[in-house]
Amino acid sequence: EDQVTQSPEALRLQEGESSSLNCSYTVSGLRGLFWYRQDPGKGPEFLFTLYSAGEEKEKERLKATLTKKESFLHITAPKPEDSATYLCAVQAKAAGNKLTFGGGTRVLVKP
Amino acid sequence: DSGVTQTPKHLITATGQRVTLRCSPRSGDLSVYWYQQSLDQGLQFLIQYYNGEERAKGNILERFSAQQFPDLHSELNLSSLELGDSALYFCASSALGSGGWYNEQFFGPGTRLTVL
Repeated sequence: EDQVTQSPEALRLQEGESSSLNCSYTVSGLRGLFWYRQDPGKGPEFLFTLYSAGEEKEKERLKATLTKKESFLHITAPKPEDSATYLCAVQAKAAGNKLTFGGGTRVLVKP
Repeated sequence: DSGVTQTPKHLITATGQRVTLRCSPRSGDLSVYWYQQSLDQGLQFLIQYYNGEERAKGNILERFSAQQFPDLHSELNLSSLELGDSALYFCASSALGSGGWYNEQFFGPGTRLTVL
């Protein structure tokens, strides 16, 4: 069964204090790994798709990387508006097109 | 704004009742997905439709059913509701990419269901 584990569960940062979120996965043939941002009571907002080990994607203060067993979401010099829950999901080649989500990391950036 | 719309935003009902949640995908997307998000279970895949046909099924209860109509909107029907069905229900849509795989999924704002 595909599994996704995110750590830490929660992260409190000072504005400007860079950090990384981890997403570990076990999947039978990875088709893609997805990062989403979710604000309270809202739908997940798509951030990145990574397809193969070594791939990196960047968007503003966020950078996602992928290895064969895990993905990292680096937040560089975060601002309070980066506060959200960050979700990681995998899509397995053998499981059709469904996404299996991790539990998320709640990030709070204090000014 | 993802382009995916869901109605209603909130729904409060009693145990044993039946409700219908509605979703309209992004313009041009043929595939629709339904997810349930609760505090203890996280975001769980329920079911996928592509152009009116069921394509994949997840942990969807027998009391739940869905369909996708010719105009591509989708409805999720929840019946014999229990307290534990209280959750956020999200719809997502995606386009078909190269190689027969579906691209990233874009989520709607969700319907918050409260069963009393």
